[in-house]
Amino acid sequence: GQNIDQPTEMTATEGAIVQINCTYQTSGFNGLFWYQQHAGEAPTFLSYNVLDGLEEKGRFSSFLSRSKGYSYLLLKELQMKDSASYLCAVNDYKLSFGAGTTVTVRA
Amino acid sequence: DAMVIQNPRYQVTQFGKPVTLSCSQTLNHNVMYWYQQKSSQAPKLLFHYYDKDFNNEADTPDNFQSRRPNTSFCFLDIRSPGLGDAAMYLCATSVLTSGHYNEQFFGPGTRLTVL
Repeated sequence: GQNIDQPTEMTATEGAIVQINCTYQTSGFNGLFWYQQHAGEAPTFLSYNVLDGLEEKGRFSSFLSRSKGYSYLLLKELQMKDSASYLCAVNDYKLSFGAGTTVTVRA
Repeated sequence: DAMVIQNPRYQVTQFGKPVTLSCSQTLNHNVMYWYQQKSSQAPKLLFHYYDKDFNNEADTPDNFQSRRPNTSFCFLDIRSPGLGDAAMYLCATSVLTSGHYNEQFFGPGTRLTVL
């Protein structure tokens, strides 16, 4: 089976940094995705890690440790538009999603 | 631009009245997925097609069926919608290469309301 855990909610101030952790126990693993989902909209791709280490894309970075079953998404220089749900998803033949972390950015 | 399109964006149906949701893609991806997402929950995979090969998830109710007449189109049929089927339905596409499934691209979703 698949077990993917991430915090339910996080709140941060505009301009700050927030780190969203994701731990997983899955029967198969072919990479880990992070998606952003605004309320009422479809998920949009943020990052993909298949090997251990840090992937940086502008204000967003994602880290993976396969031996620990652990990933995090780092959001830097937070903006109000970053208020959304962030979904961690493990890729096998399908994406198994965590329940998502709702990030609220306050002025 | 290459994309995944879902129609309609909003669908209202009556309890027990069959409804069909559609998805089309211009990405020429060989895999298409249907997810159900209820409020504040993670997307849940219903089934997927690899080319014309249909793969049903074990816990997908029989009330849900799917068709993929060609590479570009995929349909989700709900034979007798219940109140519990009200959700956002997401279509996604991906490419299977060398035995690996790659990034999934999502359509905008269809929000289904059951009265």
